[in-house]
Amino acid sequence: KNEVEQSPQNLTAQEGEFITINCSYSVGISALHWLQQHPGGGIVSLFMLSSGKKKHGRLIATINIQEKHSSLHITASHPRDSAVYICAANNTGNQFYFGTGTSLTVIP
Amino acid sequence: SQTIHQWPATLVQPVGSPLSLECTVEGTSNPNLYWYRQAAGRGLQLLFYSVGIGQISSEVPQNLSASRPQDRQFILSSKKLLLSDSGFYLCAWSAGHAYEQYFGPGTRLTVT
Repeated sequence: KNEVEQSPQNLTAQEGEFITINCSYSVGISALHWLQQHPGGGIVSLFMLSSGKKKHGRLIATINIQEKHSSLHITASHPRDSAVYICAANNTGNQFYFGTGTSLTVIP
Repeated sequence: SQTIHQWPATLVQPVGSPLSLECTVEGTSNPNLYWYRQAAGRGLQLLFYSVGIGQISSEVPQNLSASRPQDRQFILSSKKLLLSDSGFYLCAWSAGHAYEQYFGPGTRLTVT
């Protein structure tokens, strides 16, 4: 069993839809990261959070420490949001555990 | 502002040949540095991290090694490449433990 599980693995949405990607982890963490990987391979850090909720533009990330669960939401999705979204748990020992990613395709 | 560089962008090497990938960071001091690999169709895997010059921690046993000869330079090496070393290698830096990470553009390595 992986330390970090993401769902769904693949997601196709129509432009404008509200999208949710889920991440569950089994390790104790100091931080939870959401990353975005574009088709060319480049990776951008979207959020790093250890509690509560963060918002950046149309993106919202939440975390529930007690339930060991985080969600990434995209409001008013757009084709440029098409990418792979990766959840990563950073434990207190500077180890990282990565989810296998959610491949999102937003259709115009 | 901070910038992270990786080179080369792509590399094709025969099995058994050596490897050296370089990563440099500008605009910050004493960063934590990381090497990741993403094999085809698989998720990211942390290979090495460093909290200072000469300090390297390895996450998985493998055919690769890392060195940090200068504060903002991180090198990934192999003496003899294996087919299984093929993948997308990413360098990243952060200001410290549990800080946001910033990724380089990556090197796509194909071992033939």
